[in-house]
Parts: sequence; structure tokens; C-alpha cells
Amino acid sequence: GAVVSQHPSWVICKSGTSVKIECRSLDFQATTMFWYRQFPKQSLMLMATSNEGSKATYEQGVEKDKFLINHASLTLSTLTVTSAHPEDSSFYICSALAVTDTQYFGPGTRLTVL
Amino acid sequence: LAKTTQPISMDSYEGQEVNITCSHNNIATNDYITWYQQFPSQGPRFIIQGYKTKVTNEVASLFIPADRKSSTLSLPRVSLSDTAVYYCLVGAPTGRRALTFGSGTRLQVQP
Repeated sequence: GAVVSQHPSWVICKSGTSVKIECRSLDFQATTMFWYRQFPKQSLMLMATSNEGSKATYEQGVEKDKFLINHASLTLSTLTVTSAHPEDSSFYICSALAVTDTQYFGPGTRLTVL
Repeated sequence: LAKTTQPISMDSYEGQEVNITCSHNNIATNDYITWYQQFPSQGPRFIIQGYKTKVTNEVASLFIPADRKSSTLSLPRVSLSDTAVYYCLVGAPTGRRALTFGSGTRLQVQP
């Protein structure tokens, strides 16, 4: 079946540094990928929609200059958290849209900013 | 997007059938109903999707009444490994649009 991977699965960084998270669709092509964020005991919240070859669309309240998204190929989207701060600590999850119109989710990346 | 309402939590025992109901009174004509399962520290996993009546796969069944204002996810003979959060989503057939997750139902299966 459709598999989506994320790398790294967890990361710890110092405040002020930047962290890149990769989302890959392993056995299918995805022109559209989505990035979600999930805080403990809460539901997933959409951050942005990533379209291959074009600029990402960000949800209200999400800083596009802080959360840089690049969807350079049909199987890879990256999310870079720039100048990370402790409040950015969260579980980041991507999903990829298959041609069947089903979204397949990655396993998530746990970011901890010290 | 249609708003959904689910019970916050449910408890069950191994081997029982579990039915989780979701209300979506404002569902639009073109909307589909999709259920996802999420384990702690993992991404959601697609379970089942339907438009009307009944849909069944190897994991679950989805019952949708004629008015489509609610739906019921049925998990036959649950096991401990079915302990998870279950999300009901309503919208375009999953997804040309991003998914809007509600609070979900936390299912706890006891031995």
C-alpha cells in the first residue's frame, strides 16, 4: 500500500537553530502534501498545503517565514523550522495525497527545542 | 467544512464489538465520511471511507443512514492493539483539501 516516511523521527535542538524535516511518498507520486502539527493530547492542526513546483499555502496564524516548505519533487516535501524556540516543540506530521484522493500520513517527527 | 461531533472517550473489553458514532448534521451533498486511527506518537492511519449505506473492509465497517447526518464506525472483536484515538472526518473525498480533525474518540480496550 501507499507509504509515507518522515525523517528524522525525532530531533532535539537548541533554541535559535533551524531544523529540516523531510516527508517522502515512497511508492507513489504526490503533487500535494500537507503539513500538520499536533500538541500533546490535542488533535492535528493543519499548518500548510504543499504543492509540487509552487509556493505553499499557509493557514492563518502560521508564519511562512518561520516554517519554510519546499516541495521540489513529486515524492518529497520538506519543512524547515527556522530559528526554533521551545514553543515550536511539537509533533509534526505530513500527509501525501494519492491519485485515489486518499491522504496517507507519515509517522510524524517529534521536535523538542531546548 | 462540516463539523463533526464524537464521544470524547469509550471503554471496551477484548473480543467485543465497538461502535463509535459521529454526528455531522451539516454534511454537504458532495461530502464523504472518512475515519482515521491514531496511535500515540504516530501519524493517523486511514481506516475506511464511505458516502452512503454501508461500507466494509478487512478492518471495519461504516454504517451511514439515509440522511447522512451521522455515521457509525464498527470495529468487530476489538483487541488491546485497537486502543487508539479514532477521528471522524467529513469533506471532499478525502482530499483535494486538507483534512480538518476534530477532537476524536479515545478508545481504551481492556483485557
